[in-house]
Amino acid sequence: NAGVTQTPKFRILKIGQSMTLQCAQDMNHNYMYWYRQDPGMGLKLIYYSVGAGITDKGEVPNGYNVSRSTTEDFPLRLELAAPSQTSVYFCASSSTEVGGYGYTFGSGTRLTVV
Amino acid sequence: RKEVEQDPGPFNVPEGATVAFNCTYSNSASQSFFWYRQDCRKEPKLLMSVYSSGNEDGRFTAQLNRASQYISLLIRDSKLSDSATYLCVVPTSGAGSYQLTFGKGTKLSVIP
Repeated sequence: NAGVTQTPKFRILKIGQSMTLQCAQDMNHNYMYWYRQDPGMGLKLIYYSVGAGITDKGEVPNGYNVSRSTTEDFPLRLELAAPSQTSVYFCASSSTEVGGYGYTFGSGTRLTVV
Repeated sequence: RKEVEQDPGPFNVPEGATVAFNCTYSNSASQSFFWYRQDCRKEPKLLMSVYSSGNEDGRFTAQLNRASQYISLLIRDSKLSDSATYLCVVPTSGAGSYQLTFGKGTKLSVIP
């Protein structure tokens, strides 16, 4: 079972460049999330989606965009990368109700902006 | 009170010791709680779900005190492999039931 797959695992960007972080899940989960985690800090929600075609901002959306054209995929777009976006990015998914299952996370994308 | 708050540690304990972590939360309407484990440079993974008064799974026991709004995680007979950061996770206030807020985590180091 693949679960949640994130690509790439590592990336170095120059200031001002753009990139898309890919996230795909094969569990038919309706809910998907993007988090960032800075060293020694907790997970901060960037964007989330409750189903195909529906997205909403989380706690720290500035500098990012998302789309959800299918149930499986939830890419995160960085436009005009800045050093403050250096972080580890995690994608997660959950079924309709969190219930007893919580979130399933991807293995993360480690991004450095220089 | 913050939405979720944990003692950051680190907790350094010898193998075989019993260690307990506490977590407080602010959303009194919360029904489901979770403990996640995060190894260094890895993704968080679900350790335990917590409902009603608590849950037990082998050496791990999670307890919930709704009146005081805190959750605890007890690890008995600590193993070297238990070394990790433990995240307390609660439903997000004012959001749909699917949204969770993650604590910053408590770091545990089990030493030989």
